[in-house]
Amino acid sequence: GAVVSQHPSWVICKSGTSVKIECRSLDFQATTMFWYRQFPKQSLMLMATSNEGSKATYEQGVEKDKFLINHASLTLSTLTVTSAHPEDSSFYICSAKRTASNEKLFFGSGTQLSVL
Amino acid sequence: RKEVEQDPGPFNVPEGATVAFNCTYSNSASQSFFWYRQDCRKEPKLLMSVYSSGNEDGRFTAQLNRASQYISLLIRDSKLSDSATYLCVVKVNGNQFYFGTGTSLTVIP
Repeated sequence: GAVVSQHPSWVICKSGTSVKIECRSLDFQATTMFWYRQFPKQSLMLMATSNEGSKATYEQGVEKDKFLINHASLTLSTLTVTSAHPEDSSFYICSAKRTASNEKLFFGSGTQLSVL
Repeated sequence: RKEVEQDPGPFNVPEGATVAFNCTYSNSASQSFFWYRQDCRKEPKLLMSVYSSGNEDGRFTAQLNRASQYISLLIRDSKLSDSATYLCVVKVNGNQFYFGTGTSLTVIP
């Protein structure tokens, strides 16, 4: 099956710093990647759809200046949480869909962000 | 109304039991349906796609009822290792995927 690598797995940072999370599709090209956050015992909440070579599409209520998304290549999307605050602490997961007709989503292993 | 609704559970069943989860969706134009499994603090992993004719993979059987707009997952002969959260995922179009809240299953020895 397709492999999506997400890095780092864990981040602990001070309030006010910025954190970058990478999502890579290792063995396929992904025109579209998705970023989610998940709070304990809750479902995945879609934050934004990342499109290669163009601006990300953000879901309602998600601040685009707070969560910067860059999808510079067909295999890499990054999410930067800018000026992180404790309320940004969460589990962030990316997923990718193959460029071709394959419809399944493949998920990265997730990043647990803790902001002190 | 949510796009996808699931009973969050929890379902606590003894080893060997049969357990079924249902999931309803609101958009009749939904194209594809999936069950994912998610372990605590891990990423969701595809368990199986759901086809109109129903499909089976070992102890797991998935069904789709388009008329009533629901999908189901049946697990037979539950194992301890089946304990996880099961997510229902519905694809409406190319890039629109909707997730259920997940159903928590604990298989008890």
